Amino acid sequence: QKEVEQDPGPLSVPEGAIVSLNCTYSNSAFQYFMWYRQYSRKGPELLMYTYSSGNKEDGRFTAQVDKSSKYISLFIRDSQPSDSATYLCAMSATGTASKLTFGTGTRLQVTL
Amino acid sequence: GAVVSQHPSWVICKSGTSVKIECRSLDFQATTMFWYRQFPKKSLMLMATSNEGSKATYEQGVEKDKFLINHASLTLSTLTVTSAHPEDSSFYICSATPGLADNEQFFGPGTRLTVL
Repeated sequence: QKEVEQDPGPLSVPEGAIVSLNCTYSNSAFQYFMWYRQYSRKGPELLMYTYSSGNKEDGRFTAQVDKSSKYISLFIRDSQPSDSATYLCAMSATGTASKLTFGTGTRLQVTL
Repeated sequence: GAVVSQHPSWVICKSGTSVKIECRSLDFQATTMFWYRQFPKKSLMLMATSNEGSKATYEQGVEKDKFLINHASLTLSTLTVTSAHPEDSSFYICSATPGLADNEQFFGPGTRLTVL
């Protein structure tokens, strides 16, 4: 069993839709949960991070962590074509500056 | 935000040759740098962690004699793929961090290596 599971997609939605991206994990030691966005042939850029359980909102993006279910989500409201990218979840037991374990990434396409 | 650069952005080499990839933090001092490898439609896999002035710590299954990492200064780390073979073809990405527990890792744009 992989430590982090993520549906690879691709996921295609119309502009303005609400997008839900999810990851599950098996390692109970994970305390830091991150979402990265990666455009083709580029390095990942951090969108949001959450420590422990709970919700965090930043503009059109909301991150949720449910440690009891070992399940994290990223919601994108009012999706835009510029949101088209691969979204990777990442987790760490010791901090955002430490070893990260990534999901495989979900490719999102937002169409006009 | 902080900027991390990688050079070259892409490289093609013949089997058996060695290739060096540079990772630089341009506007901050990186006490720690990480090297990842990414296959198409696969997740980033951590290869090694390097701290300035120390030997790199390699993840299980990564050959340290094949993937030589040097972190000689607070702004530069290098990854050398020695005696490269076609199976080493991949996208190599570095990240750098100032090192405090809750600091962000800043990722470079990646280097695409193709071994013929």
